[in-house]
Amino acid sequence: SYELTQPPSVSVSPGQTATITCSGHRLGQSHACWYQHRPGQSPRLLIYQDNKRPSGIPERFSGSMYGKTATLTISATQAMDEADYYCQVWDSQTEVLFGGGTKLTVL
Amino acid sequence: EVQLEESGGGLVQPGGSLRLSCAASGFTFKNYGMGWVRQIPGKGLEAVSVISAGGGSTYFADSVKGRFTISKNNFKNTVDLQMNSLRADDTAVYYCAKRGMLTVGGSPMYYFDYWGQGTLVTVSS
Repeated sequence: SYELTQPPSVSVSPGQTATITCSGHRLGQSHACWYQHRPGQSPRLLIYQDNKRPSGIPERFSGSMYGKTATLTISATQAMDEADYYCQVWDSQTEVLFGGGTKLTVL
Repeated sequence: EVQLEESGGGLVQPGGSLRLSCAASGFTFKNYGMGWVRQIPGKGLEAVSVISAGGGSTYFADSVKGRFTISKNNFKNTVDLQMNSLRADDTAVYYCAKRGMLTVGGSPMYYFDYWGQGTLVTVSS
């Protein structure tokens, strides 16, 4: 079965850059989205079509795709960025798939 | 302002049924697909079901196929998830989400751009 693989956890110091990856063997054929999910809140769309930001999402959130790996980069990380982050694709074969999620800790 | 409000969650016994409803406002509902995404306690997000704008196309996760159905009422601006034969592992927070769409290279590209607050479903005896 098709899976999207994310690291379970990433740690970053305030002000530094956090990088979260998402890999899948069909990723290069699909565009990736990224969501932020804080405890007790609804998920929020951060990135769509690999690297597009919806209005209202700060510029320090950016996305990229290279080969079969999508990457979410958070620059100048803040304490409020501590959350779970999920990649997601709409794939013609599996249709809708989320990665396992990455817990970002801001130390 | 886009608003999505879920209702219908609660406690149900294994084997029972529950119907979740999502009331939408702030956008032209008939033009957009909608979905239900759940988070099982301690686990990640799982797309449970999606329905196209007109209701003619649906998706179900393998874990719920044959047990859940989804329907969309473009007059009432609601999307419902009928959950039958519920199991303990269906216990989760269920979110209603609006499906955004772009056309890229002639093909549709989708994402969930707005989410409701979620409703808790607990399956337990």
